[in-house]
Amino acid sequence: DAGITQSPRHKVTETGTPVTLRCHQTENHRYMYWYRQDPGHGLRLIHYSYGVKDTDKGEVSDGYSVSRSKTEDFLLTLESATSSQTSVYFCAISPQGIEAFFGQGTRLTVV
Amino acid sequence: DQQVKQNSPSLSVQEGRISILNCDYTNSMFDYFLWYKKYPAEGPTFLISISSIKDKNEDGRFTVFLNKSAKHLSLHIVPSQPGDSAVYFCAASVIQGAQKLVFGQGTRLTINP
Repeated sequence: DAGITQSPRHKVTETGTPVTLRCHQTENHRYMYWYRQDPGHGLRLIHYSYGVKDTDKGEVSDGYSVSRSKTEDFLLTLESATSSQTSVYFCAISPQGIEAFFGQGTRLTVV
Repeated sequence: DQQVKQNSPSLSVQEGRISILNCDYTNSMFDYFLWYKKYPAEGPTFLISISSIKDKNEDGRFTVFLNKSAKHLSLHIVPSQPGDSAVYFCAASVIQGAQKLVFGQGTRLTINP
């Protein structure tokens, strides 16, 4: 157990609505990440953070924004959800900046 | 452009035998490689890793081999057990602060009794 909690675990939302996913860690690690998992693609990095208010884009960042106002929380926001953002979203931390440890995931369906 | 590829979507192995999962990469800048195991409805679980300065790393039943000249790595599981049935992802990164992992598509391993 890496001390990561994702919420919600499941969500169904309508196209065009804003959605925020939350990742909470209990151990004050510096690095936090958001990935999405889709069939045929493995996991792909959306955004990551290297400290409070310090974030950067990953491979598939279009349509997503993130915020980190506290060390323990990393939020992923879909400003206007689209069907292509239906996916399973995973938050991760990397305590030593090497291996990443993942949360349980959030299954998001955009209808 | 898929920088990390797992060309076998699935693999079926008999219990007790060796499972070999393969992964190829194209980016010669990668200097750290990892394997993750994933059960349905759970997050990926870190399994084993290897630095580019090594060609082998072993942890119990799991061994990872790295062939830098061929840009190829493999995961060996010996002996295979029913609990090993899962999806396995290989991942690669360049160590420079944040660990930005690039994943393969995954291989579904089924261990048959």
